[in-house]
Amino acid sequence: QVQLVESGGGVVQPGRSLRLSCAASGFTFSIYGLHWVRQAPGKGLEWVALISPDGNTEYYADSVKGRFTISRDNSKNTLYLQMNSLRAEDTAVYYCAKDDGYSNNWGQGTLVTVSS
Amino acid sequence: DIVMTQSPDSLAVSLGEMATINCKSSQSILDSSNNKQCLAWYQQKPGQSPKLLISWASTRESGVPDRFSGSGSATDFTLTISSLQAEDVAVYYCQQYYNTPRTFGQGTKVEIK
Repeated sequence: QVQLVESGGGVVQPGRSLRLSCAASGFTFSIYGLHWVRQAPGKGLEWVALISPDGNTEYYADSVKGRFTISRDNSKNTLYLQMNSLRAEDTAVYYCAKDDGYSNNWGQGTLVTVSS
Repeated sequence: DIVMTQSPDSLAVSLGEMATINCKSSQSILDSSNNKQCLAWYQQKPGQSPKLLISWASTRESGVPDRFSGSGSATDFTLTISSLQAEDVAVYYCQQYYNTPRTFGQGTKVEIK
């Protein structure tokens, strides 16, 4: 079955960087786009970024554009999110999700807390 | 960007009664290649990841109870829970996947009255 397992979250100071990973299994990784979606504490879902199956095309929410970079390694079945210049408002649970247009497979999420 | 607006923000329904959640898109989300609406509904229970309930506005995912149904067209969509069960207490989100950014509604919290 499809599994998506995020890792790399933690507490980080404002202005610093963090890289999240999402290890995938149970499907042919290289033929699916992948998303990052986040959820601030007590808030709703916010789409963050999407990467194409071959990794050549990326899309970002305006709130993270220029600071975050989505990437993937199809040889390792792993999705990444490089987060730079972190702000307090980036504090959230970050989910990776498989793209079928909609998303019928989500990871369990990893918590990122930006605080001094 | 396509704005998705849900109503109400919360509702309390008695067990066995019907719950209706509305979702309005700021523009058409019709995929002209298949004449289907690019609208998904998700359920999120506390401490859990979102779960896909319905895609293409009205296609129920495998394993989702048939008390959940989706409908709508143009820019107005509805998720209906025909007979609310205790396990349906959750926050429900609509999402358009017509284009990027893939926008979500703000969520509707469903509780038991």
